[in-house]
Amino acid sequence: DTEVTQTPKHLVMGMTNKKSLKCEQHMGHRAMYWYKQKAKKPPELMFVYSYEKLSINESVPSRFSPECPNSSLLNLHLHALQPEDSALYLCASSHYNEQFFGPGTRLTVL
Amino acid sequence: AQSVTQPDIHITVSEGASLELRCNYSYGATPYLFWYVQSPGQGLQLLLKYFSGDTLVQGIKGFEAEFKRSQSSFNLRKPSVHWSDAAEYFCAARSLSQGNLIFGKGTKLSVKP
Repeated sequence: DTEVTQTPKHLVMGMTNKKSLKCEQHMGHRAMYWYKQKAKKPPELMFVYSYEKLSINESVPSRFSPECPNSSLLNLHLHALQPEDSALYLCASSHYNEQFFGPGTRLTVL
Repeated sequence: AQSVTQPDIHITVSEGASLELRCNYSYGATPYLFWYVQSPGQGLQLLLKYFSGDTLVQGIKGFEAEFKRSQSSFNLRKPSVHWSDAAEYFCAARSLSQGNLIFGKGTKLSVKP
């Protein structure tokens, strides 16, 4: 298995909802990342997990809560989001110097 | 701090014409460099990468890129563009301190018949 999978593909949620994004890889990579990409912009780093521990939080608001239950799985828990949080959320895992991206979850906050 | 610059926001080329997308990086040592393509509503697809060695790298879909240390550049080229190449192209460098990718702002490629 040489891919990163993300579910769901699309998500629409209200500002009071709680939802989660899921990312999975079975390539044995020990670093995993969440990026946020707004329309017509490059991806921006949100979080980095290294060996299942959060190593970098790029000053992301607390309404985004990452979790790494095991070496293959990365979650992003969402609560009380704002409409400006609507974006494509990309997960990646890395092997040495190369990152492998998932297809992303397109999130719309109403 | 490391940065990646793509000077061209939008480029339009005719189908069959050659293409060159520019990318400059700022870092003293040799960075790990990548080019990604993204079609509307899609994720990122890796076109090619440069880590070391031969400065001319071949990628998928007929793309190539040349690393020029003297110019801090990693430009993407294709000899003959196809209509399906219309997309957003991102140049990226691996952050030496954090391991994540630092992206340029992207270049939108339009292809006219």
